[in-house]
Amino acid sequence: DTGVSQNPRHKITKRGQNVTFRCDPISEHNRLYWYRQTLGQGPEFLTYFQNEAQLEKSRLLSDRFSAERPKGSFSTLEIQRTEQGDSAMYLCASSLDSRGSGGYTFGSGTRLTVV
Amino acid sequence: AQTVTQSQPEMSVQEAETVTLSCTYDTSESDYYLFWYKQPPSRQMILVIRQEAYKQQNATENRFSVNFQKAAKSFSLKISDSQLGDAAMYFCAYPSGTYKYIFGTGTRLKVLA
Repeated sequence: DTGVSQNPRHKITKRGQNVTFRCDPISEHNRLYWYRQTLGQGPEFLTYFQNEAQLEKSRLLSDRFSAERPKGSFSTLEIQRTEQGDSAMYLCASSLDSRGSGGYTFGSGTRLTVV
Repeated sequence: AQTVTQSQPEMSVQEAETVTLSCTYDTSESDYYLFWYKQPPSRQMILVIRQEAYKQQNATENRFSVNFQKAAKSFSLKISDSQLGDAAMYFCAYPSGTYKYIFGTGTRLKVLA
């Protein structure tokens, strides 16, 4: 297994455009998470999937954001009508543990720049 | 509200020396885990060490160890024999519930040759 894979690594887009990011978790991990990290800050929780079910969405996730995990495998995060404030690193992580004790495996992230 | 505080934005350590990074947290739970993650420049975040709150013994992973003070809600990371490869951002994290982590703002560690 090659770990958690995120694509693309970098994305530059014009304000108002839509973007989509992809995350491929470790295959046996049933839990998948999206976090957002801005410069100088720690990651902030966006949303969480257990298998294909999206069980929680943060208030940070406005109506312009949508995430899916069809068939409980890879996940996509789409941002519609991007704004400059959306510029950040978007991190995906996966885990198998149900109590949060095992820690996450993170991907390398997708850095979004909205110009 | 559950919070995680890292009060040291940046720390420096001489190669081969020891450095301690601080973290405090706030929770009303009694059974939980705490984590330190390392984020090297332009590289993915990796788990450094974890501590189970109900274990009194401090966790140790090679050159990394923690000083866990449950009553004080303090969870510091000690790095011994610092190496150039230890240079990174270090984040303290606390799982809120069973899956959602709250991260501190991070401490940037510089290792001086």
